[in-house]
Amino acid sequence: DAKTTQPNSMESNEEEPVHLPCNHSTISGTDYIHWYRQLPSQGPEYVIHGLTSNVNNRMASLAIAEDRKSSTLILHRATLRDAAVYYCILRDVRGYQKVTFGTGTKLQVIP
Amino acid sequence: NAGVTQTPKFRVLKTGQSMTLLCAQDMNHEYMYWYRQDPGMGLRLIHYSVGEGTTAKGEVPDGYNVSRLKKQNFLLGLESAAPSQTSVYFCASRPIVRGNEQYFGPGTRLTVT
Repeated sequence: DAKTTQPNSMESNEEEPVHLPCNHSTISGTDYIHWYRQLPSQGPEYVIHGLTSNVNNRMASLAIAEDRKSSTLILHRATLRDAAVYYCILRDVRGYQKVTFGTGTKLQVIP
Repeated sequence: NAGVTQTPKFRVLKTGQSMTLLCAQDMNHEYMYWYRQDPGMGLRLIHYSVGEGTTAKGEVPDGYNVSRLKKQNFLLGLESAAPSQTSVYFCASRPIVRGNEQYFGPGTRLTVT
């Protein structure tokens, strides 16, 4: 299975943009890039996903490198409620089970 | 629409006891999953199901059994609990649509003494 690499932790000031990087150099052509986040004492929640093109939704933006070997989750204005662990995972469109959640990036938002 | 619910929220077991964790979803999703999460680690897949009556092993299936007798329910069983199974357990479900996201439950915190 293709693996992702993320920094263990990052800090951001409140109301500043945050760029969370993810490397996935062994990504295959059939892998979607998904981002989830986990707030303290809660289950993970979906943030965004994409295949090749950049994506935007109400929560965040996803920028995907042209070679697809890396991606960046962008939170446009960090709030205290965005403090969470962010997971970047790959999901093969052909399969249904091979999803590995790594240790993610713990984002701290400083007031 | 309750989404994904898990029962119980907390449980303490003695070594050797058995129990069943219940996951229920009301979104008519085909796929369901059980994960465990330990301190400092990500989520690890225990078992999953791609439809009613089918189950399969994930990364860490030993010591667990599962059943999916109804589409909306996915049960995780511990036949003889061990302290190594102390963890937070998350259930998730997903529709069959390609690329679609998983919906997670709130988790069950299990302690085995």
